[in-house]
Amino acid sequence: DTEVTQTPKHLVMGMTNKKSLKCEQHMGHRAMYWYKQKAKKPPELMFVYSYEKLSINESVPSRFSPECPNSSLLNLHLHALQPEDSALYLCASSQVLGFDTQYFGPGTRLTVL
Amino acid sequence: AQSVAQPEDQVNVAEGNPLTVKCTYSVSGNPYLFWYVQYPNRGLQFLLKYITGDNLVKGSYGFEAEFNKSQTSFHLKKPSALVSDSALYFCAVRDMAGNTGGFKTIFGAGTRLFVKA
Repeated sequence: DTEVTQTPKHLVMGMTNKKSLKCEQHMGHRAMYWYKQKAKKPPELMFVYSYEKLSINESVPSRFSPECPNSSLLNLHLHALQPEDSALYLCASSQVLGFDTQYFGPGTRLTVL
Repeated sequence: AQSVAQPEDQVNVAEGNPLTVKCTYSVSGNPYLFWYVQYPNRGLQFLLKYITGDNLVKGSYGFEAEFNKSQTSFHLKKPSALVSDSALYFCAVRDMAGNTGGFKTIFGAGTRLFVKA
């Protein structure tokens, strides 16, 4: 199983809402990543977890809050977002943190009204 | 700092013809290079990578890439294009020189490949 799943596929939220994105993998990977991708642009790294601990935070605003409850699951909690946060949010995983290939999920298309 | 450049926003090729998607890189040490493909409204799919070894790397779906150290290039190639190859292609490099200890992947801007039947 080389699949990374993400839910929901689409999410529309207001600026005062609280919502969460979910990512799951069952490949035994110990590194998991959140990326933000705007239309026709490359993915931008947001957060990296290694062995359930936050390893990298790319100066992401606090309205985005990541969580890694276990080695298979990665969440991104959203609160008080802005319209410019509308984007495709991609989750990825790799066997370990380093030179390994990253496997990406299909993404969650987020629209902030 | 590490970087990758994809000089073409779009590449057009006829089905059955060979295709090349260009990528050049700038790194301070040994390069760790990747190609990913993205279909509309989907995540990225890994195609191939170069870490060390043979300069010609074979990957998924018939794609290959040639690592050229003297030209600092890592062009993606396929001998015979299919309409289904039409997608957005990203070249990427590991950031070994930044503060993230080599754990950050730097993506190029992307090249849209359009294969015409």
